[in-house]
Amino acid sequence: DTGVSQDPRHKITKRGQNVTFRCDPISEHNRLYWYRQTLGQGPEFLTYFQNEAQLEKSRLLSDRFSAERPKGSFSTLEIQRTEQGDSAMYLCASSRTEREQYFGPGTRLTVT
Amino acid sequence: QKEVEQNSGPLSVPEGAIASLNCTYSDRGSQSFFWYRQYSGKSPELIMFIYSNGDKEDGRFTAQLNKASQYVSLLIRDSQPSDSATYLCAVGGGSQGNLIFGKGTKLSVKP
Repeated sequence: DTGVSQDPRHKITKRGQNVTFRCDPISEHNRLYWYRQTLGQGPEFLTYFQNEAQLEKSRLLSDRFSAERPKGSFSTLEIQRTEQGDSAMYLCASSRTEREQYFGPGTRLTVT
Repeated sequence: QKEVEQNSGPLSVPEGAIASLNCTYSDRGSQSFFWYRQYSGKSPELIMFIYSNGDKEDGRFTAQLNKASQYVSLLIRDSQPSDSATYLCAVGGGSQGNLIFGKGTKLSVKP
């Protein structure tokens, strides 16, 4: 299977802890996007990488959030000092062009 | 603020009927339009994309785009219970190609 993969699929953490998620895009896709989805809402854009460069960040991405994509391959999204409002599904998508994006299975974060 | 609007539903249709899902968008400069299907607890799955005015057909799915009216629709012919899901409309509106999503329309196909 050469689809987008994400790890872990589920994460339960206590408020104030740090968490890190990983995304492996479809091979040869140089564009990688992170989105966040809460119940009853569509996904909301967080940040975008083209190769290893982070080219755009949403205002939703507070300074507690950081993302990296070393060597332009996999990407990580870290949330520091988690808050209950961070509970959501974190989705990664990749694409070869600026058009069709393919999503991974997501990481569901629950902050208690 | 670029927006994508969808009727949240639920939209209920009998098996074998045509389901019609609609979406409007605010940015007249948008160039690319997508429909994703999302089953409960799962991630969005791309099912259709359209870039030009008119219709695009793929199997039981037809996407329709009217840029003048800023309107996108998805028709599902011969609806099946397995089509029951939330359908997300997305518009390529970001400066780097990020998608702007509607809240989704929940479709229920009754056997």
